[in-house]
Amino acid sequence: GAGVSQSPSNKVTEKGKDVELRCDPISGHTALYWYRQSLGQGLEFLIYFQGNSAPDKSGLPSDRFSAERTGGSVSTLTIQRTQQEDSAVYLCASSLDRAIINEQFFGPGTRLTVL
Amino acid sequence: KQEVTQIPAALSVPEGENLVLNCSFTDSAIYNLQWFRQDPGKGLTSLLLIQSSQREQTSGRLNASLDKSSGRSTLYIAASQPGDSATYLCAVRTLPSGTYKYIFGTGTRLKVLA
Repeated sequence: GAGVSQSPSNKVTEKGKDVELRCDPISGHTALYWYRQSLGQGLEFLIYFQGNSAPDKSGLPSDRFSAERTGGSVSTLTIQRTQQEDSAVYLCASSLDRAIINEQFFGPGTRLTVL
Repeated sequence: KQEVTQIPAALSVPEGENLVLNCSFTDSAIYNLQWFRQDPGKGLTSLLLIQSSQREQTSGRLNASLDKSSGRSTLYIAASQPGDSATYLCAVRTLPSGTYKYIFGTGTRLKVLA
């Protein structure tokens, strides 16, 4: 595709429900990142996938958060038993992740609201 | 631990003014630095990427400089326009040591008045 796409663009859910957020990276990009941006806050790193290597999950805030990347392309971020503090914009980015050039390209984000 | 700070947090200028946005980082061992803009309710758009071996990058009215030793980068916007109004974010990528993620600043919210 022409750019990184994310779905849904908006998600409203009730506290305690599970949600799945999807990211389609740019074709050929081996690296994929998930970030969270809360109101008035900077971007918080969540998880990083690079090719077939084990993902860097060091940014996941709790075990309610998980992510997978199937076939080295599409990624899904799952939040179980959502809490109100999970409300934020979830951004996905991809890059070629070469040693020198590692420009990240971002999707439009998914705005999650937990009531 | 790498920390990225952007000053000022918000800036309002009249159209046509040249302006400088600042980004500072605490660990000079970075791989590269990237500047983004974010429009309200939208994702991030990449503006410029500076590799650690470079001193500056230019694109149109934008010029970004990098001084690794002092832990600073500046984004210079010439002849600002109302369409430049957005939040500007800088992010540094640390040297590969198990962490390949970018560390972001909290951004500078710019408003250019017509």
